[in-house]
Parts: sequence; C-alpha cells; structure tokens
Amino acid sequence: DVKVTQSSRYLVKRTGEKVFLECVQDMDHENMFWYRQDPGLGLRLIYFSYDVKMKEKGDIPEGYSVSREKKERFSLILESASTNQTSMYLCASKIGGGGNEQFFGPGTRLTVL
Amino acid sequence: KNEVEQSPQNLTAQEGEFITINCSYSVGISALHWLQQHPGGGIVSLFMLSSGKKKHGRLIATINIQEKHSSLHITASHPRDSAVYICAVRSYTGNQFYFGTGTSLTVIP
Repeated sequence: DVKVTQSSRYLVKRTGEKVFLECVQDMDHENMFWYRQDPGLGLRLIYFSYDVKMKEKGDIPEGYSVSREKKERFSLILESASTNQTSMYLCASKIGGGGNEQFFGPGTRLTVL
Repeated sequence: KNEVEQSPQNLTAQEGEFITINCSYSVGISALHWLQQHPGGGIVSLFMLSSGKKKHGRLIATINIQEKHSSLHITASHPRDSAVYICAVRSYTGNQFYFGTGTSLTVIP
C-alpha cells in the first residue's frame, strides 16, 4: 500500500512565525502536491513538484514556498504565517505521467493565531 | 468560476436509501476521480474513470464524456457511508487536477 505521511495532524502557530509542513511518501512517486482545503472552496493547489528539485506554482502560491531535495520528501514552507493561512493542508503523491491517481496524506490542520 | 461543479452540496438520507451525487465539469479531461473524505481529513480514492461505468461493492460511478458529467451512486446506504464525496478531474496534461467543493453526505440510522 502507498503511504503518504504528514509531520503533524494539528499545528498552532503565531502570526509571523516560519512554519514547515513535511510530507513523505514511500512509493518512489515522481509527482508530489500540496493543497489547502477551506470550507466552500474545496481543494486548491498551492505547489506541485514533478521530480527532485523541480517545482511549479499552483493556483495559490502566494505566501508559500516549497522544497524537494529528496524524492520521497516534499516540504511546504510558510515564510511568515498569517491568520488567512489557517486551513487544512493536504499532501498528495502519484507516479509521474498522466494515467495515475493521487494518494493523499492524512492532512495537517494549521491554526495561525 | 469553478471548473468542477457538484450537487448537492449537502445530503441527508435514511439508511437503506439509494443516493446519487452529481458532478459536471467544463475542462477537457483525461480522467475523473471520485474521492471520499471522512471526518478527520484523510482522503481516499474511490474510482478513477475515463469512460463508461465502474462498480465497487455498493458504489457505482458513471461518466458521460460528451455531456461532461459524472454521477456517483450508493445503493443501500449505511451510516458508515457518511463522509464528504469529492469529484476531481485530471486535465489532458495529466498533472493538473481540478476539484469540486464536495458533497457532505449524512446517512441516518
């Protein structure tokens, strides 16, 4: 079974803090994704990565950056957390190419005070 | 404008009822996915469709490519089916996914 894990299920941070969200997958997937999920808006893509050291902006990259130094790990960074970044963050991975489904992590519920 | 529209947004059913959730999309796709999200956040993939119909237990998913429409049916619904069901489409390029806002289903015993 594919396993996608995220470093925290719940996280509380203060405005202005630097926040790291880690995602690890164990199936050698090339593609990895970071989404945020908000009520009434569904999942929105923040960043995705085709492969190691490669990244592409999604629909809402502002205020975020990412790092993919190893194939199995994709990190989402909030350089200076703000209250409007309070959300559920979901990581996903899939085999590269067009014919494959995404596998999701359990999510991190981030609250910024 | 959302590329993927789902209806209804919320649905309450009595145990045993037949349930239908609808999904319409406006972009060219290579596949459509139905996802299930239980309270607590974890998302699992139920179906991946590019044509026709698929069945898994009490769940049936259909897609009409010409009409850009898909339906998820649950037969003999059960309280454990209570979850949010999300429709997602994958673009022709294969790496961009578009998501519906989800249908929150509650099945009452």
